[in-house]
Amino acid sequence: DAKTTQPPSMDCAEGRAANLPCNHSTISGNEYVYWYRQIHSQGPQYIIHGLKNNETNEMASLIITEDRKSSTLILPHATLRDTAVYYCIVRVKDGTASKLTFGTGTRLQVTL
Amino acid sequence: GAVVSQHPSRVICKSGTSVKIECRSLDFQATTMFWYRQFPKQSLMLMATSNEGSKATYEQGVEKDKFLINHASLTLSTLTVTSAHPEDSSFYICSARDRLDTQYFGPGTRLTVL
Repeated sequence: DAKTTQPPSMDCAEGRAANLPCNHSTISGNEYVYWYRQIHSQGPQYIIHGLKNNETNEMASLIITEDRKSSTLILPHATLRDTAVYYCIVRVKDGTASKLTFGTGTRLQVTL
Repeated sequence: GAVVSQHPSRVICKSGTSVKIECRSLDFQATTMFWYRQFPKQSLMLMATSNEGSKATYEQGVEKDKFLINHASLTLSTLTVTSAHPEDSSFYICSARDRLDTQYFGPGTRLTVL
């Protein structure tokens, strides 16, 4: 699976949009972009995933560039409960050998 | 989203004993489950992939005789840490893949071996 690059940490003021970038310049045509987050001492929580179109759900929006070499996760109105480590992962979907491999992620700190 | 549970959430045991951790998919069937381990201030590391009705596939460096995995049904996988030692103390997290190929994670089990 393709490797991803994320900034190690980011800050965001509560109520503002949090924009978390991810580079995946070696992504293959059949690899999806997945986002998870891990709040301290809990298991990772699935947020969203996409292939090439932008996606939105009740938690976040995912913007994927046209060349698919990078993406941005947007939390539209960050709250203190969004403080977590956010992981961007690319993987082939629908493959029995496909696994989620976690990098170091971005530690998002939401402040008052 | 789908719900995955783990039991126990926390366990403390003496060195040399075995510990079993259960992982259940509560509202979906999972032909594939995964076991991860996370040490303090590190990322999750995949230990093994568990397929219902067949032997687990272990990642390089993970001892299959020490970390026994059983996936007897479509909603239950167990991880047994045999003859646990202090270096096995860690946060163990399972995940299950649903029919749409999305992985959902359990809340984790904190193992402390004295």
